[in-house]
Amino acid sequence: IVMTQSPVTLSVSPGERATLSCRASQSIRSNLAWYQQKSGQAPRLLIYLASTRVADISARFSGSGSGTDFTLTINSLQSEDSAVYYCQQYNNWPRTFGQGTKVEIK
Amino acid sequence: QVQLVDSGGGLVKPGGSLRLSCAASGFIFSDFYMNWIRQAPGKAPEWISFIDSGGSTTYYADSVRGRFTISRDNAKKSIYLQMNSLRAEDTAVYYCARGEYNWKVWGQGTLVTVSS
Repeated sequence: IVMTQSPVTLSVSPGERATLSCRASQSIRSNLAWYQQKSGQAPRLLIYLASTRVADISARFSGSGSGTDFTLTINSLQSEDSAVYYCQQYNNWPRTFGQGTKVEIK
Repeated sequence: QVQLVDSGGGLVKPGGSLRLSCAASGFIFSDFYMNWIRQAPGKAPEWISFIDSGGSTTYYADSVRGRFTISRDNAKKSIYLQMNSLRAEDTAVYYCARGEYNWKVWGQGTLVTVSS
């Protein structure tokens, strides 16, 4: 399953909202996760089952969607949110990632 | 605390071999499925291999099938990745990660560079 993310780069001012998209080449139901990766670090799981936030993740992060179209929303963007964000499907083997969206703070 | 520590990376020539290790602590290792995921410089992560809790079921990405072998030793709380016939395109940071579906727990990664 091919995962396609858009946009490639997103530049957002502090305090504004960032909206990231992820599309699957076929239905993956709600079997989608979102990760945040900062330079030199392993990816960090933010969201699973498309909309369930991991326990220690800020409520500013939210996920939605099912089937083939998914969205990660980051509200009230902060400087610490500058990172690359990846979606990953786990409906089928092989597990596959999108190519990533880089979020920059203006 | 829950921790995975990756090791074994290094510089190897094309066609060479390398064995990576991932040591677990802070949880009941034998209860969990495990994976190897790699990330080439500037690229997205790529899942490459899975092993179930008992070691009887394994899966591989097409890019490594037939060249890489995943294994585990529950007594040593470790998984391994035997990498043979290495190619330049195998150059990446290799991470182990816990779980079958999505991955909350990751190792810190170990860098494998394939170059002559």
